[in-house]
Amino acid sequence: NAGVTQTPKFRILKIGQSMTLQCAQDMNHNYMYWYRQDPGMGLKLIYYSVGAGITDKGEVPNGYNVSRSTTEDFPLRLELAAPSQTSVYFCASSSRAETQYFGPGTRLLVL
Amino acid sequence: SQELEQSPQSLIVQEGKNLTINCTSSKTLYGLYWYKQKYGEGLIFLMMLQKGGEEKSHEKITAKLDEKKQQSSLHITASQPSHAGIYLCGADRGDGGATNKLIFGTGTLLAVQP
Repeated sequence: NAGVTQTPKFRILKIGQSMTLQCAQDMNHNYMYWYRQDPGMGLKLIYYSVGAGITDKGEVPNGYNVSRSTTEDFPLRLELAAPSQTSVYFCASSSRAETQYFGPGTRLLVL
Repeated sequence: SQELEQSPQSLIVQEGKNLTINCTSSKTLYGLYWYKQKYGEGLIFLMMLQKGGEEKSHEKITAKLDEKKQQSSLHITASQPSHAGIYLCGADRGDGGATNKLIFGTGTLLAVQP
């Protein structure tokens, strides 16, 4: 099992550009999550999904969109990148009410 | 809203010394998770605690949840350089739903000097 994989590992964007952060898991988990981690801060939940076709907002959803067309994939979309979105983004997955397993993260720099 | 406070924010210890990291919640904890993060990497799951008074150990790391379920501690015995990293506590929001949404503390940076 590869677990939770994320691509790309690192990306630099210009203000106003868009991009999609990819996340995939091969553990057949129904629950998937996107977090951001800012320097010196804990993780903040952006969006989560409890199954294919079902998504909902977390604490800090503004500026992001998600979709969940399959159990395995949970991409995060940034439409108009802003400097405030410079962060490290982590994807995680879990079975219902079980431990969340995290991917290695995507470091995003918006200039 | 529920918040998690971790202390200390950072810690430098000599190899072989014991140390404790604390995680305190403003509300009752329905599930407390400890993760370790190395720089540039994702979070590695360490332990989960759910019951008041529960204690779990893995190798030289012991985690406890107090009886009131508002504070957890992570204790490392005879620290080694491999223990260095950021330790994060995460807690289930306890919304009562089945979403397993977690909030996290700000982390404790641990450095172990050889």
